[in-house]
Amino acid sequence: DSGVTQTPKHLITATGQRVTLRCSPRSGDLSVYWYQQSLDQGLQFLIQYYNGEERAKGNILERFSAQQFPDLHSELNLSSLELGDSALYFCASSGLGATDTQYFGPGTRLTVL
Amino acid sequence: DAKTTQPPSMDCAEGRAANLPCNHSTISGNEYVYWYRQIHSQGPQYIIHGLKNNETNEMASLIITEDRKSSTLILPHATLRDTAVYYCIVRSNNAGNMLTFGGGTRLMVKP
Repeated sequence: DSGVTQTPKHLITATGQRVTLRCSPRSGDLSVYWYQQSLDQGLQFLIQYYNGEERAKGNILERFSAQQFPDLHSELNLSSLELGDSALYFCASSGLGATDTQYFGPGTRLTVL
Repeated sequence: DAKTTQPPSMDCAEGRAANLPCNHSTISGNEYVYWYRQIHSQGPQYIIHGLKNNETNEMASLIITEDRKSSTLILPHATLRDTAVYYCIVRSNNAGNMLTFGGGTRLMVKP
């Protein structure tokens, strides 16, 4: 158990809908990362937040957004969903030091029908 | 971040050492080598990391060549539960610190 929690475990929805994925980081970690893993793209970095502020952005679509709240949990919002958004979404957390290790949650499996 | 090259798949007999190679010939001086593994569709699991020196923990050993252009992850006594995709990642200490995953090595431990 990494200490990172994600809810829900599974999500099935229809195209055009909007969903919210939730992540709680390990105790004491200020940094949260979101990654997407689809069959054809592998694991890809989406976005990072540190102590409530966006710190780095990867290949995140404009339809996707995220935020980190004062209690440090983070939410990833996916809107206008398309079939191709079906994937595993992982959250990771770490401190901000150069050698701070990222620990991953169990993921949310999103299926868009 | 430096690109890594790993064999797409490897087999190992149960109880034997599994040696997983990684090439990172363009690594720069401040970049660390990290190893993660992913068992089936679970979240990636941190294994070990290093900068220059060899490292060992309860899971594995990491051997980094002197020129730092390649490394080897060693699982000393592989078990069936070590069957997974192993990712070698070179990570800079720039702001962001995101991990860039390649294709990894699919390790199959066989009885």
